[in-house]
Amino acid sequence: KQEVTQIPAALSVPEGENLVLNCSFTDSAIYNLQWFRQDPGKGLTSLLLIQSSQREQTSGRLNASLDKSSGRSTLYIAASQPGDSATYLCAVKVGIFGNEKLTFGTGTRLTIIP
Amino acid sequence: DTGVSQNPRHKITKRGQNVTFRCDPISEHNRLYWYRQTLGQGPEFLTYFQNEAQLEKSRLLSDRFSAERPKGSFSTLEIQRTEQGDSAMYLCASSSRTDINTEAFFGQGTRLTVV
Repeated sequence: KQEVTQIPAALSVPEGENLVLNCSFTDSAIYNLQWFRQDPGKGLTSLLLIQSSQREQTSGRLNASLDKSSGRSTLYIAASQPGDSATYLCAVKVGIFGNEKLTFGTGTRLTIIP
Repeated sequence: DTGVSQNPRHKITKRGQNVTFRCDPISEHNRLYWYRQTLGQGPEFLTYFQNEAQLEKSRLLSDRFSAERPKGSFSTLEIQRTEQGDSAMYLCASSSRTDINTEAFFGQGTRLTVV
């Protein structure tokens, strides 16, 4: 059974710092990995999708990497801003082709201190 | 295209009542998913539709839960005889059929509180 872990559960950093969020998964047989942002009481906003054949993806100040063989992904946020405060979730797509689903970690709650 | 839409956003119900939630996916997406998220946890898979066919149901989906997707368009999730343990955020997501590596897009969720 695929298990996804995110450490730390919570992180506070001063505004302007660069930071890294970690995600690990137990089974390397994934189709892709997706990073999401969730604001309190809200739904999920997709940030980045990395296919299993890719090593990284970038969008603005965000860079996500994937090392499928070791079961790890990182989300790098450059020059953090108070608006980046949210919970960040990673999810891997698993399952039989045509019947796939996302398995999520429990998230990292990020607070950017002004 | 306004993305995935879920209604209602919030629902408070008394224990034992039935509730129904609706999800309207992105129009060209044929894959639709329901997830449940409790406080401090990541979303957990409940069920999956490809067009109108319900292809997988999680063990989390007890007999009190039923989901439909008539004509492969919108979907409904019904919970009968609600229990306090059903209190959670219910999230709907959709994705395209054309490529397995397309993103899943989520709605804003329906927050259910059973009192």
